[in-house]
Parts: sequence; structure tokens; C-alpha cells
Amino acid sequence: DSGVTQTPKHLITATGQRVTLRCSPRSGDLSVYWYQQSLDQGLQFLIQYYNGEERAKGNILERFSAQQFPDLHSELNLSSLELGDSALYFCASSVTPSGSMDEQFFGPGTRLTVL
Amino acid sequence: AQTVTQSQPEMSVQEAETVTLSCTYDTSENNYYLFWYKQPPSRQMILVIRQEAYKQQNATENRFSVNFQKAAKSFSLKISDSQLGDTAMYFCAFMKLLGNQFYFGTGTSLTVIP
Repeated sequence: DSGVTQTPKHLITATGQRVTLRCSPRSGDLSVYWYQQSLDQGLQFLIQYYNGEERAKGNILERFSAQQFPDLHSELNLSSLELGDSALYFCASSVTPSGSMDEQFFGPGTRLTVL
Repeated sequence: AQTVTQSQPEMSVQEAETVTLSCTYDTSENNYYLFWYKQPPSRQMILVIRQEAYKQQNATENRFSVNFQKAAKSFSLKISDSQLGDTAMYFCAFMKLLGNQFYFGTGTSLTVIP
């Protein structure tokens, strides 16, 4: 158990809908990262927040957005969902903003299925 | 732009044997990190081994070792004495020395056969 929690574990929805994924970082971690893992693209970095502010942005679509709240939990919002958005979405957290992969602790992921 | 290529989507190895997973990358950077991550069925990402590009010596961690060829931009992972618990998806990853964005390959699914 990494100490990072993600809800829900599974999410099934229809095309065109909007969903929100939630992540609670480890106690004391200020950075939150979001990743998307799909079969054909591997693990893709989406976005990072540090202490409430956007720190880095990766391959995140305009239909996706995220935020980190004062209590440091983060939400990833996915809208106008398409079939290709079906994937496993990971959240990770770290103490520092450096982004070093070996400093990040990953949550168990949310499996999103778009029908 | 940086790219990471893992050309072996699936591999299998007999228990106790040795297997090598391939990874190549493309970058114009001179200093960077390379990683191998393991993702077991539990879906957690586990760091297997890390290599700093400025170090010539290949990194080793117990049964895991890498063959880092900087000029060829190659970073293969060798697993010796394979164990059933090594069954997992393995990702090769690249990260710039300065910066917080990294790049992953598409993964190699390794199955250790008893």
C-alpha cells in the first residue's frame, strides 16, 4: 500500500459524458501527478500539481482538466468522453516538486471504460 | 522531442533462466535518467533500476542489471535467475536531468513459466 488513494476503482460511462476521478496523496506529499495508461500508448504523463498550483503539463487533452485543492487532494475531470479515453488513470504523489519518478508513489489506479 | 521504444510487446522465460528486455530511446540531451519500472497485476509501478547517463558503469540491483549503451541510445534490462514473481509488465522510461517530465515506452509483458 503506497498511501495514495484513488476513487473510484472502476468507472463505466458512455461517450459524451463527464467524469471526475479523485486522488488523495500520501500524508505530507505536496505534489500530485496524473497519468493515463492505455495499451497502445503506454503510460502517459498528463499533469502535475504542487501545493495547489499547476507545475507541469504533459499530454493532456483540452477536454481534460485537473485541480489540486487546499487539502491537497486532486481531481481529474474528463469531459466529452470518447471511446479512446478508456484507460487506466493513475495518480502519484511525492514530497518534492522535482518530478523524479523514483520519488513518486503511485495509487492503485482508476479503470475507466467508455462505452 | 524524446521517444522511448520497447520493441518486444511480450516475452516469456523459464523459471531460473535469464531474459533480456530491450529499450531504445532518442534524445538530444546529454545528461538524463533512464529507468526500468515493473508493473505487476496489482497495477502499482515499482522502480526496478535507475541509470544516470553520466555514469559509465552499468547499474545493478541484485538479479537485475542493465546494459547501457549511450552512443547507441540503448538501455536493456537483464533479469537473471528469473522468478515467478517477476511476471509483470516492464516499462522503460527516460527523464531529463533537469525537469519533471518523463517519457515511457509502451511496455513489455514478461511471463515467467514454472
